[in-house]
Amino acid sequence: DIVLTQSPASLAVSLGQRATISCRASQSVSTSSYNYIHWYQQKPGQPPKLLIKYASNLESGVPARFSGSGSGTDFTLNIHPVEEEDTATYYCQHSWEMWTFGGGTKLEIK
Amino acid sequence: QVQLKESGPGLVAPSQSLSITCTVSGFSLTSYGVHWIRQPPGKGLEWLGVIWAGGSTNYNSALMSRLSISKDNSKSQVFLKMNSLQTEDTAMYYCARDEGYGSSYSYWGQGTTLTVSS
Repeated sequence: DIVLTQSPASLAVSLGQRATISCRASQSVSTSSYNYIHWYQQKPGQPPKLLIKYASNLESGVPARFSGSGSGTDFTLNIHPVEEEDTATYYCQHSWEMWTFGGGTKLEIK
Repeated sequence: QVQLKESGPGLVAPSQSLSITCTVSGFSLTSYGVHWIRQPPGKGLEWLGVIWAGGSTNYNSALMSRLSISKDNSKSQVFLKMNSLQTEDTAMYYCARDEGYGSSYSYWGQGTTLTVSS
């Protein structure tokens, strides 16, 4: 089974600065056409919310300060500039043959 | 609009079995698959399984001996059944709509809490 490793487990970023979250897969989750990695934001008491699909495609309604990149085994979620409302836990997920989630990254805004 | 809503027993004794229902609206189960995901208190997300529009299923390999997913298209309901429950199965259980093989989840239910305790 593919394992997704997120780093860091937690980070604190000053308001208006950049937050960068990494997601590494134990094997490639990309083809020449698609990168099978998706990013979610989860706030306490709520289900996850889709932010980015296929590594870099912004979900409708999601602010443009969220962006994703990467291919193969290494993927990144960037948030810039961070806002207070971005305080949440962020998860990557792969959908290559099966589905698993990364361990999550808790983001705090300073 | 698309909606998914989970319902379940809330509390189950160890070694017993459970059945959780996901009732959907705004789309047909004959056109979309539905996934089950759970989240233990204070922990991360764990994918459990999926039932496809045609009725076939895939399961988390670590749990497949205890899991069963089925559905009733006419009632717009998907069922998750798990047996031999242990305290480690205490979690929030979510259902989510599949957007196409290899895709992500745009729509989630609010979740139903399951506590396994005597």
